[in-house]
Amino acid sequence: GENVEQHPSTLSVQEGDSAVIKCTYSDSASNYFPWYKQELGKGPQLIIDIRSNVGEKKDQRIAVTLNKTAKHFSLHITETQPEDSAVYFCAASIRGGSNYKLTFGKGTLLTVNP
Amino acid sequence: GAGVSQSPRYKVAKRGQDVALRCDPISGHVSLFWYQQALGQGPEFLTYFQNEAQLDKSGLPSDRFFAERPEGSVSTLKIQRTQQEDSAVYLCATGQGPNNEQFFGPGTRLTVL
Repeated sequence: GENVEQHPSTLSVQEGDSAVIKCTYSDSASNYFPWYKQELGKGPQLIIDIRSNVGEKKDQRIAVTLNKTAKHFSLHITETQPEDSAVYFCAASIRGGSNYKLTFGKGTLLTVNP
Repeated sequence: GAGVSQSPRYKVAKRGQDVALRCDPISGHVSLFWYQQALGQGPEFLTYFQNEAQLDKSGLPSDRFFAERPEGSVSTLKIQRTQQEDSAVYLCATGQGPNNEQFFGPGTRLTVL
């Protein structure tokens, strides 16, 4: 089955700096890669996703890149703000097949210091 | 707001007790997933429903875990004879279809003493 590795497990940055979180996956059939933000006591919330036919996607301060050959994808947050502090999860799944489940990484605790 | 709701939000059970966790999906959502999130870990897949049909239960850790969605809407995850290792947050996620975004509920935190 799919295995997703995520690094780093914790990341502390100063407000205004950039943050980068990296993930690798094992199943070459995976074609959908979402990123979730989870705040304390809440469920994960989708912040951005990318499909395997795209190399990069941006949404304001957030961007995701995908390298299918190397089987890794990254989340980039620019101009970080204290409200970006949360746990971030990457995930992988196969869209269009029968295996719809998301396989998650172990998460990155991002702390943005004012 | 008509998001995914879960109840109870917190549940404390003594080892050996049975528990039932409820998920109310967003209206009209066909797909429903259950995930288990241990402390400090990412969510792990338990089971998947499309309408009332349970299409994948490969993630259920043992036969003590049972899920149902009899009318294709509300779902219940039941854990029989709870063990300490069952302590986790149980997340429900629903979507318009299997290839659509999954919206997560707030989870039920289960603590087994």
